[in-house]
Amino acid sequence: DAGVTQSPTHLIKTRGQHVTLRCSPISGHKSVSWYQQVLGQGPQFIFQYYEKEERGRGNFPDRFSARQFPNYSSELNVNALLLGDSALYLCASSLGRTSGGEGEQFFGPGTRLTVL
Amino acid sequence: GNSVTQMEGPVTLSEEAFLTINCTYTATGYPSLFWYVQYPGEGLQLLLKATKADDKGSNKGFEATYRKETTSFHLEKGSVQVSDSAVYFCALSPPLSGGYNKLIFGAGTRLAVHP
Repeated sequence: DAGVTQSPTHLIKTRGQHVTLRCSPISGHKSVSWYQQVLGQGPQFIFQYYEKEERGRGNFPDRFSARQFPNYSSELNVNALLLGDSALYLCASSLGRTSGGEGEQFFGPGTRLTVL
Repeated sequence: GNSVTQMEGPVTLSEEAFLTINCTYTATGYPSLFWYVQYPGEGLQLLLKATKADDKGSNKGFEATYRKETTSFHLEKGSVQVSDSAVYFCALSPPLSGGYNKLIFGAGTRLAVHP
């Protein structure tokens, strides 16, 4: 079975540009979460989507947005890129709503974004 | 608020040495606790988890016990191998709130194992 897939693998942009990152969850998973991992740090939660609705948002500016499609794949969009947006962007999928917060999240390989 | 604190790395060990990576957390309620591993150039892989106090998660020789009284979830392995070299992340998932769960990660601990 295919795991979580992300595209592109690497991306180089310049300041002020816009970027779109894509994620396909594991088959049968209805929830997708996005995380930003700056070099040398742990991942930071950006968004979670479940059944095409935003269910949670981390402490990120409005330049960051996302959406989930009927097939449960997802896009993360970042506008007006800053140098500080350079990071590994990770997508994680899970079955969906869980009780007690124990739902396991499966991570993709990530997209390495470099902003020059 | 919710947070995770891990011991700073790098941790450098010889093969077959005993490993401990300390992790403590701050959370409201009873979170679930996780250890993830990240090999060079790859995404995160779940190593083990525990969902309630006194639970012990284990996988591939690694173990961690959910200690509510000390708010800790230390990772241990009795005999490390060179192939265990990676970055290890401790994480918590707060009790379900608003219909979603998220992971809060520590900063990560790099482990280097030498032959």
